[in-house]
Amino acid sequence: AQSVSQHNHHVILSEAASLELGCNYSYGGTVNLFWYVQYPGQHLQLLLKYFSGDPLVKGIKGFEAEFIKSKFSFNLRKPSVQWSDTAEYFCAVNRDLFGNQFYFGTGTSLTVIP
Amino acid sequence: DGGITQSPKYLFRKEGQNVTLSCEQNLNHDAMYWYRQDPGQGLRLIYYSQIVNDFQKGDIAEGYSVSREKKESFPLTVTSAQKNPTAFYLCASSMDHRSYNEQFFGPGTRLTVL
Repeated sequence: AQSVSQHNHHVILSEAASLELGCNYSYGGTVNLFWYVQYPGQHLQLLLKYFSGDPLVKGIKGFEAEFIKSKFSFNLRKPSVQWSDTAEYFCAVNRDLFGNQFYFGTGTSLTVIP
Repeated sequence: DGGITQSPKYLFRKEGQNVTLSCEQNLNHDAMYWYRQDPGQGLRLIYYSQIVNDFQKGDIAEGYSVSREKKESFPLTVTSAQKNPTAFYLCASSMDHRSYNEQFFGPGTRLTVL
């Protein structure tokens, strides 16, 4: 079945550690890719998105993600996490020919220990 | 203060009753969406509307109904036909239906059916 996969369900890191969260999708054709974050008690908000151009995209709060088309991946990275990065992270994909219908991964819960 | 409001935050209903969840946006967005979030399953699309007086079924529309009579409002009715209605419901909007547009999310409504 076509889907969006986030392999890391729960990640625990110490402050200053590097972060990489995996996201793979199985849709063919042109896709647009998004990472959303949900901080405790807050709305889902956009971290970054890719729809064309440089496959390495930078987002808010020092996050970046790299689109590797050949691997159907869009992994999220941050070189040094902070306690305030503790949140749920969702990868999302939509397909150019199908309008703005998003498909979300199951989410990764990140806990950063001070 | 622009954004998306959902009310109420928590909702309790008896089994067999229909219930309507409110979603209002003042972002002047054309497109609106309803998602359901269950633990370990990410967000799944219930219905979406690209423009007033038009809406389309998402992946899990059975047991739900919507209307889009006004641009700023997209209420979701959870009917008694929905087999597992207890969930967290998220409303979102985007500028229009084009696929590179990010979606903005409301705070959600947690529905519990007793």
